[in-house]
Amino acid sequence: AQSVTQLGSHVSVSEGALVLLRCNYSSSVPPYLFWYVQYPNQGLQLLLKYTTGATLVKGINGFEAEFKKSETSFHLTKPSAHMSDAAEYFCAVSPSGGYNKLIFGAGTRLAVHP
Amino acid sequence: GAVVSQHPSRVICKSGTSVKIECRSLDFQATTMFWYRQFPKQSLMLMATSNEGSKATYEQGVEKDKFLINHASLTLSTLTVTSAHPEDSSFYICSVGTGWNNEQFFGPGTRLTVL
Repeated sequence: AQSVTQLGSHVSVSEGALVLLRCNYSSSVPPYLFWYVQYPNQGLQLLLKYTTGATLVKGINGFEAEFKKSETSFHLTKPSAHMSDAAEYFCAVSPSGGYNKLIFGAGTRLAVHP
Repeated sequence: GAVVSQHPSRVICKSGTSVKIECRSLDFQATTMFWYRQFPKQSLMLMATSNEGSKATYEQGVEKDKFLINHASLTLSTLTVTSAHPEDSSFYICSVGTGWNNEQFFGPGTRLTVL
Protein backbone atom coordinates (compact mmCIF):
# COMPACT_ATOMS: atom_id res chain seq x y z
CA ALA A 1 0.00 0.00 0.00
CA GLN A 2 1.15 3.49 -0.73
CA SER A 3 1.66 6.08 1.96
CA VAL A 4 3.05 9.55 2.40
CA THR A 5 4.91 10.99 5.36
CA GLN A 6 5.42 14.69 5.79
CA LEU A 7 8.01 15.43 8.42
CA GLY A 8 7.08 18.42 10.51
CA SER A 9 3.47 19.43 10.93
CA HIS A 10 4.58 23.03 11.43
CA VAL A 11 7.45 24.87 9.81
CA SER A 12 8.29 28.47 10.57
CA VAL A 13 10.68 30.59 8.51
CA SER A 14 11.59 34.21 8.21
CA GLU A 15 10.66 36.18 5.15
CA GLY A 16 13.43 35.76 2.59
CA ALA A 17 14.69 32.50 4.09
CA LEU A 18 14.80 29.12 2.41
CA VAL A 19 11.66 27.03 2.59
CA LEU A 20 12.10 23.26 2.87
CA LEU A 21 9.09 21.01 3.34
CA ARG A 22 9.83 17.32 3.55
CA CYS A 23 7.91 14.48 1.96
CA ASN A 24 8.73 10.79 1.87
CA TYR A 25 6.61 8.15 0.24
CA SER A 26 6.33 4.43 0.08
CA SER A 27 5.22 2.72 -3.08
CA SER A 28 5.77 -0.63 -4.71
CA VAL A 29 5.55 0.90 -8.18
CA PRO A 30 6.87 4.19 -9.56
CA PRO A 31 4.30 6.71 -8.41
CA TYR A 32 3.17 10.09 -9.51
CA LEU A 33 3.94 12.73 -6.89
CA PHE A 34 2.23 16.01 -6.19
CA TRP A 35 2.46 19.04 -3.96
CA TYR A 36 -0.70 21.01 -3.27
CA VAL A 37 -1.20 24.21 -1.30
CA GLN A 38 -4.32 25.11 0.68
CA TYR A 39 -5.16 28.56 1.93
CA PRO A 40 -7.65 28.90 4.80
CA ASN A 41 -11.17 27.80 3.95
CA GLN A 42 -10.25 27.06 0.37
CA GLY A 43 -9.70 24.04 -1.81
CA LEU A 44 -6.35 22.76 -2.95
CA GLN A 45 -4.21 24.26 -5.65
CA LEU A 46 -1.57 22.27 -7.48
CA LEU A 47 1.95 23.59 -7.00
CA LEU A 48 3.80 21.00 -9.02
CA LYS A 49 3.88 17.35 -9.97
CA TYR A 50 6.33 14.66 -10.95
CA THR A 51 5.33 11.94 -13.39
CA THR A 52 8.34 10.91 -15.44
CA GLY A 53 11.46 12.47 -16.87
CA ALA A 54 13.41 15.23 -15.23
CA THR A 55 13.57 14.68 -11.50
CA LEU A 56 13.76 18.37 -10.63
CA VAL A 57 10.32 19.82 -11.10
CA LYS A 58 9.53 23.50 -11.12
CA GLY A 59 6.14 24.72 -10.11
CA ILE A 60 4.21 27.89 -9.53
CA ASN A 61 5.14 30.72 -7.16
CA GLY A 62 8.84 29.85 -7.29
CA PHE A 63 8.52 26.40 -5.74
CA GLU A 64 10.37 23.35 -6.92
CA ALA A 65 10.77 19.76 -5.81
CA GLU A 66 13.20 16.99 -6.57
CA PHE A 67 12.24 13.37 -6.95
CA LYS A 68 14.89 11.14 -5.38
CA LYS A 69 14.03 7.54 -5.97
CA SER A 70 16.89 6.21 -3.84
CA GLU A 71 15.62 8.22 -0.88
CA THR A 72 11.92 7.85 -1.74
CA SER A 73 11.64 11.56 -1.21
CA PHE A 74 9.99 14.51 -2.92
CA HIS A 75 10.91 17.53 -0.83
CA LEU A 76 9.52 20.95 -1.68
CA THR A 77 11.76 23.99 -1.67
CA LYS A 78 11.66 27.69 -2.35
CA PRO A 79 14.79 29.84 -2.16
CA SER A 80 13.16 32.87 -0.58
CA ALA A 81 9.94 32.81 1.41
CA HIS A 82 7.26 35.46 1.01
CA MET A 83 4.59 36.31 3.52
CA SER A 84 2.03 35.12 1.00
CA ASP A 85 3.50 31.61 1.15
CA ALA A 86 1.96 31.05 4.57
CA ALA A 87 -0.48 28.19 4.04
CA GLU A 88 -0.96 24.46 4.45
CA TYR A 89 1.03 22.25 2.11
CA PHE A 90 0.13 18.70 1.20
CA CYS A 91 2.26 16.10 -0.49
CA ALA A 92 0.35 13.39 -2.35
CA VAL A 93 1.17 10.18 -4.16
CA SER A 94 -0.73 8.24 -6.77
CA PRO A 95 0.12 5.06 -8.62
CA SER A 96 0.81 5.71 -12.27
CA GLY A 97 -1.95 5.22 -14.80
CA GLY A 98 -5.64 6.03 -14.97
CA TYR A 99 -7.93 7.85 -12.59
CA ASN A 100 -6.24 6.65 -9.48
CA LYS A 101 -6.69 7.98 -6.01
CA LEU A 102 -4.43 10.50 -4.40
CA ILE A 103 -3.02 9.55 -1.05
CA PHE A 104 -2.29 12.66 0.97
CA GLY A 105 0.23 13.29 3.67
CA ALA A 106 -0.86 14.87 6.92
CA GLY A 107 0.14 18.31 5.75
CA THR A 108 2.65 20.92 6.85
CA ARG A 109 1.60 24.33 7.98
CA LEU A 110 4.09 26.95 6.86
CA ALA A 111 4.34 30.16 8.83
CA VAL A 112 6.37 33.07 7.47
CA HIS A 113 7.55 35.74 9.86
CA PRO A 114 8.66 39.25 8.92
CA GLY B 1 -6.74 22.83 -15.95
CA ALA B 2 -10.30 22.06 -14.98
CA VAL B 3 -12.30 24.68 -13.12
CA VAL B 4 -14.40 23.22 -10.33
CA SER B 5 -17.10 24.93 -8.32
CA GLN B 6 -18.99 23.86 -5.23
CA HIS B 7 -22.29 25.05 -3.88
CA PRO B 8 -22.97 26.08 -1.25
CA SER B 9 -19.72 27.35 0.18
CA ARG B 10 -21.16 27.27 3.68
CA VAL B 11 -24.22 25.62 5.14
CA ILE B 12 -25.61 25.42 8.63
CA CYS B 13 -28.36 22.94 9.33
CA LYS B 14 -30.19 21.38 12.21
CA SER B 15 -29.46 17.88 13.39
CA GLY B 16 -31.56 15.33 11.56
CA THR B 17 -31.92 17.23 8.33
CA SER B 18 -30.32 16.38 5.00
CA VAL B 19 -27.94 18.59 3.10
CA LYS B 20 -26.99 18.43 -0.56
CA ILE B 21 -23.64 19.71 -1.82
CA GLU B 22 -23.08 20.24 -5.52
CA CYS B 23 -19.79 19.89 -7.33
CA ARG B 24 -19.60 21.19 -10.88
CA SER B 25 -16.90 20.83 -13.47
CA LEU B 26 -17.23 24.03 -15.46
CA ASP B 27 -14.98 23.38 -18.41
CA PHE B 28 -14.12 19.69 -18.38
CA GLN B 29 -16.16 16.58 -18.93
CA ALA B 30 -15.59 14.80 -15.68
CA THR B 31 -16.17 11.07 -15.85
CA THR B 32 -14.58 10.71 -12.44
CA MET B 33 -14.94 12.93 -9.41
CA PHE B 34 -13.75 12.46 -5.87
CA TRP B 35 -15.25 13.53 -2.55
CA TYR B 36 -13.09 14.29 0.47
CA ARG B 37 -13.74 15.49 3.96
CA GLN B 38 -11.30 17.45 6.03
CA PHE B 39 -11.45 17.98 9.77
CA PRO B 40 -9.83 21.06 11.28
CA LYS B 41 -6.06 21.03 11.01
CA GLN B 42 -6.09 17.61 9.40
CA SER B 43 -5.46 16.17 6.00
CA LEU B 44 -7.99 15.25 3.36
CA MET B 45 -9.70 11.93 3.75
CA LEU B 46 -11.08 10.36 0.60
CA MET B 47 -14.71 9.42 1.08
CA ALA B 48 -15.66 8.08 -2.30
CA THR B 49 -14.92 8.00 -6.00
CA SER B 50 -17.82 9.11 -8.14
CA ASN B 51 -18.13 7.76 -11.67
CA GLU B 52 -20.56 9.26 -14.16
CA GLY B 53 -23.52 7.02 -14.77
CA SER B 54 -22.61 4.40 -12.21
CA LYS B 55 -22.57 3.86 -8.48
CA ALA B 56 -19.93 5.54 -6.41
CA THR B 57 -17.13 3.56 -4.83
CA TYR B 58 -16.90 4.28 -1.13
CA GLU B 59 -13.80 4.04 1.01
CA GLN B 60 -13.73 1.67 3.91
CA GLY B 61 -15.57 3.05 6.90
CA VAL B 62 -17.68 5.54 4.95
CA GLU B 63 -21.39 4.89 5.24
CA LYS B 64 -22.88 4.84 1.76
CA ASP B 65 -26.41 5.26 3.08
CA LYS B 66 -25.42 8.35 4.99
CA PHE B 67 -23.36 9.99 2.29
CA LEU B 68 -25.31 9.63 -0.93
CA ILE B 69 -23.41 10.43 -4.09
CA ASN B 70 -24.97 10.99 -7.47
CA HIS B 71 -22.99 11.62 -10.63
CA ALA B 72 -25.66 11.81 -13.29
CA SER B 73 -23.84 14.00 -15.78
CA LEU B 74 -20.32 14.79 -16.90
CA THR B 75 -20.46 18.16 -15.19
CA LEU B 76 -22.22 17.53 -11.90
CA SER B 77 -21.78 15.30 -8.89
CA THR B 78 -23.74 15.74 -5.69
CA LEU B 79 -23.09 14.63 -2.15
CA THR B 80 -26.08 14.40 0.16
CA VAL B 81 -25.47 14.09 3.86
CA THR B 82 -28.57 12.39 5.18
CA SER B 83 -29.86 12.83 8.71
CA ALA B 84 -26.90 15.00 9.55
CA HIS B 85 -25.50 15.05 13.05
CA PRO B 86 -22.98 17.37 14.69
CA GLU B 87 -20.18 14.87 14.10
CA ASP B 88 -20.77 15.30 10.35
CA SER B 89 -19.67 18.90 10.64
CA SER B 90 -16.64 19.20 8.44
CA PHE B 91 -15.13 20.74 5.34
CA TYR B 92 -16.17 18.78 2.26
CA ILE B 93 -14.08 19.10 -0.88
CA CYS B 94 -14.67 17.62 -4.30
CA SER B 95 -12.21 17.15 -7.10
CA VAL B 96 -12.27 16.28 -10.77
CA GLY B 97 -10.07 13.49 -12.05
CA THR B 98 -8.57 14.34 -15.40
CA GLY B 99 -6.63 11.23 -16.27
CA TRP B 100 -3.67 13.53 -16.95
CA ASN B 101 -1.12 11.68 -14.87
CA ASN B 102 -3.74 11.28 -12.14
CA GLU B 103 -3.91 15.02 -11.60
CA GLN B 104 -7.02 16.22 -9.78
CA PHE B 105 -8.49 19.69 -9.73
CA PHE B 106 -10.19 20.70 -6.54
CA GLY B 107 -13.27 22.70 -5.75
CA PRO B 108 -13.19 25.46 -3.15
CA GLY B 109 -14.87 23.32 -0.51
CA THR B 110 -18.10 23.44 1.48
CA ARG B 111 -18.13 24.11 5.20
CA LEU B 112 -20.95 22.12 6.83
CA THR B 113 -21.99 22.92 10.37
CA VAL B 114 -24.65 20.77 11.98
CA LEU B 115 -26.24 22.23 15.08
